[in-house]
Amino acid sequence: EVQLVQSGAEVKKPGESLKISCKASGYNFTNYWIGWVRQMPGKGLEWMGIIYPGDSDTRYSPSFQGQVTISADKSINTAYLQWSSLKASDTAMYYCARLWDVGFFDYWGQGTLVTVSS
Amino acid sequence: EIVMTQSPATLSVSPGERATLSCRASHSVSSNLAWYQQKPGQAPRLLIYGASTRATGISARFSGSGSGTEFSLTISSLQSEDFAVYYCQQYDDWPPSFGQGTKLEI
Repeated sequence: EVQLVQSGAEVKKPGESLKISCKASGYNFTNYWIGWVRQMPGKGLEWMGIIYPGDSDTRYSPSFQGQVTISADKSINTAYLQWSSLKASDTAMYYCARLWDVGFFDYWGQGTLVTVSS
Repeated sequence: EIVMTQSPATLSVSPGERATLSCRASHSVSSNLAWYQQKPGQAPRLLIYGASTRATGISARFSGSGSGTEFSLTISSLQSEDFAVYYCQQYDDWPPSFGQGTKLEI
C-alpha cells in the first residue's frame, strides 16, 4: 500500500527556518516524482514543485522558485520542503504527493500545517 | 502559465440529483486534465485523469469529459459523501496549474 506520511504541525516566527518531511512507503521511491502543493487558509491548491528522488532532478513553479527548496534523501525514502526565512504569508497547509505520468498526483500525504506568527 | 477557471464557484444540489461542474483552460491542454475531490480537513483525492479516466477505486457515478479548453465533471445521483470541493488541474504545460475549485453543497 502506497503511503506518504508527513511531519507534524509547526509554529514558527517570521525569519526562522524550517524543513518539513514526507516519508514514502509501499513503492519504489526512486522511480516516481514527488511534489509539494500549498493550500493557504480557506483557499485553493497551488503547485509548488517536484523532485525525482532517483537523481534529485528538481523543478519549481515560477511562483515558488527561490522561495523554497525541495530535496530528497533516497536512503530513507523521504522528501523535504524547506524555507530559510519564513514569512507570515507562508502560513498554509502543505501537502506532499506522488506524481503519476509526469502530470497529476495519485497519492497524497495527510498535510503539514505551518503557522508563521510573531 | 495556463489559467484554469472553474464554474460555478458554488453549486447547490439535492441528494439523488446530478451535478455537472465545469473547468475551462486559457489555452488548449489536450486531454491532460485531472479532477480531485477535497473534503474538509482532508487531503485531496484523485478522481479523474486524462480528462475521462477514473482513478482506481473511484465510483462509476463520477465521469469526466472534454478536451482542449472545455472540460466537465459529472456526478450522477449525488450521495451525502460527494459534497466537497472539486478541483481541476492541467498537466499539459509547465507549471501545472489548478482551478480555484467548485464547492458542491447540499
